[in-house]
Amino acid sequence: DSGVTQTPKHLITATGQRVTLRCSPRSGDLSVYWYQQSLDQGLQFLIQYYNGEERAKGNILERFSAQQFPDLHSELNLSSLELGDSALYFCASSVGGGGQFQETQYFGPGTRLLVL
Amino acid sequence: DQQVKQNSPSLSVQEGRISILNCDYTNSMFDYFLWYKKYPAEGPTFLISISSIKDKNEDGRFTVFLNKSAKHLSLHIVPSQPGDSAVYFCAARGGNTGKLIFGQGTTLQVKP
Repeated sequence: DSGVTQTPKHLITATGQRVTLRCSPRSGDLSVYWYQQSLDQGLQFLIQYYNGEERAKGNILERFSAQQFPDLHSELNLSSLELGDSALYFCASSVGGGGQFQETQYFGPGTRLLVL
Repeated sequence: DQQVKQNSPSLSVQEGRISILNCDYTNSMFDYFLWYKKYPAEGPTFLISISSIKDKNEDGRFTVFLNKSAKHLSLHIVPSQPGDSAVYFCAARGGNTGKLIFGQGTTLQVKP
């Protein structure tokens, strides 16, 4: 158990809908990262938040947004869903901003999203 | 443009033998490299890492080697055990954020 929790575990929805994925980091970690893993793909970085502020952005679609709350949990909002958004969405956390040597990211179990 | 590549989608070895998983990268600005192991229906689990100032890091049965001139790293597992069967991802980081660039993964099967 990494200490990172994600809810829900599974999500089935229809095209055009909006969903919210939730992540709670390990106790004491200030950074939260979101990654997407599509079928037969490696993990693709979406976005990083550090202590409530956006720190880095990857190839995140405009239909997707995220935020980190004062209690450091994070939510990833996916809107106007398309079939191609079906994927595993992982959250990870680390203690600092991510740029320090030896700073490791610990991953949650993921949310499996299926868009029908 | 795939900056981190794992060219072998799968690898099969006999229990007790050495497993060698390879990873190549293109960006010379990467300064920290990590290996993660992933079982089905679970999140990636951190295995071992190495900074760019080193060429080797060892932790029990796992050793990671970094060849900066060749932009290549490898993970050695000795001896391999059936419980090591999983998908292994290498990842690289550069800059002052934690953004990780992942390879496509290599599925390791260790046969009893």
